[in-house]
Amino acid sequence: DGGITQSPKYLFRKEGQNVTLSCEQNLNHDAMYWYRQDPGQGLRLIYYSQIVNDFQKGDIAEGYSVSREKKESFPLTVTSAQKNPTAFYLCASSTGQGTQYFGPGTRLLVL
Amino acid sequence: GNSVTQMEGPVTLSEEAFLTINCTYTATGYPSLFWYVQYPGEGLQLLLKATKADDKGSNKGFEATYRKETTSFHLEKGSVQVSDSAVYFCALSDNYTGANSKLTFGKGITLSVRP
Repeated sequence: DGGITQSPKYLFRKEGQNVTLSCEQNLNHDAMYWYRQDPGQGLRLIYYSQIVNDFQKGDIAEGYSVSREKKESFPLTVTSAQKNPTAFYLCASSTGQGTQYFGPGTRLLVL
Repeated sequence: GNSVTQMEGPVTLSEEAFLTINCTYTATGYPSLFWYVQYPGEGLQLLLKATKADDKGSNKGFEATYRKETTSFHLEKGSVQVSDSAVYFCALSDNYTGANSKLTFGKGITLSVRP
């Protein structure tokens, strides 16, 4: 079954801690994306990658970092510099024809 | 820059009622337009799309027509079901040649359907 997986489903962060959210796809898509979703708002783009070993900042990249060492994987690290990290994080991938396919999401909560 | 505006919500309907969710956009060039649906606690699923003016996207009884003259992509369904209760997002893709397109989303609207 092809698709996008995200783990964990729930993640708890302590003050000053960095946490990493996993995103894996077996769709053979070149492009991958990270979005943040807050209640009552649309999705906001954090980072995106069009090809392995390359990525660009989206609209709200401050306090986040990513890597793209493999085509299948695009992990997102929420650093201690992100002062309001509580949100639902969604990963997506695309063939480049415009349509993006989303994973099930990770909900990040601050302890 | 690009933007997508959706009507304010939430929307509550009775089962078998007619549904219209308005979406208008601002974009340069010729974007592709999408409707995504999000069920509680899940990621987004593509509902339908249209890639050029006057195209009609359709899926699961939902329809939307790409209207360039009114810059709109309104979502309609003739008879909603309880299982249609979800959040609906309108989005556009910038379609730059040779690049993997970025999506711009509206804020989403919550639809609740009563039995």
